[in-house]
Amino acid sequence: DQQVKQNSPSLSVQEGRISILNCDYTNSMFDYFLWYKKYPAEGPTFLISISSIKDKNEDGRFTVFLNKSAKHLSLHIVPSQPGDSAVYFCAASNTGGFKTIFGAGTRLFVKA
Amino acid sequence: KAGVTQTPRYLIKTRGQQVTLSCSPISGHRSVSWYQQTPGQGLQFLFEYFSETQRNKGNFPGRFSGRQFSNSRSEMNVSTLELGDSALYLCASSAGQGIYGYTFGSGTRLTVV
Repeated sequence: DQQVKQNSPSLSVQEGRISILNCDYTNSMFDYFLWYKKYPAEGPTFLISISSIKDKNEDGRFTVFLNKSAKHLSLHIVPSQPGDSAVYFCAASNTGGFKTIFGAGTRLFVKA
Repeated sequence: KAGVTQTPRYLIKTRGQQVTLSCSPISGHRSVSWYQQTPGQGLQFLFEYFSETQRNKGNFPGRFSGRQFSNSRSEMNVSTLELGDSALYLCASSAGQGIYGYTFGSGTRLTVV
């Protein structure tokens, strides 16, 4: 039962260009969405989040967009840098659920 | 301030054995969650503890269990290990509900042979 899906296992982008990572979810009870970044041999680190009452949240080079009707969110990284090369996990939660559901991850390669 | 500490970092066990993994959350964090990461499967939720009480549990067999102590430190135990239990086990802590973001430890890499 994959409630959070990241259908692209990997993405390759040129340095300086935009990276767009996509995520779909099935449970309409989710009301909070997050992106985490993971480097090898480290735990995931929180990147950016968005509440279901918003459709966009921006933090520096990172912007998350939420389309509730389509149950879709995306993470935009502009401009992409080689240090952004990592695995990105999309995650979703609902208030009072006491758990966060993660997608399978998308590996981003930013080429110099 | 110290991060989330997981011990040991690496572990090799034989099928049928049992294993206990430890997690010390960030000071002041009372919620501890455990996840299993395997290639292609992402992070699968195991369980969440808050103030020594399990508030939620994922879809794992009863061989997987956990507990939390009064100082918020947590342990997870896997009994009768199977080859498929080989994975990275991640612990995450948060001040309240983890929906606003976890801080993860570096994980324990368990290999079952």
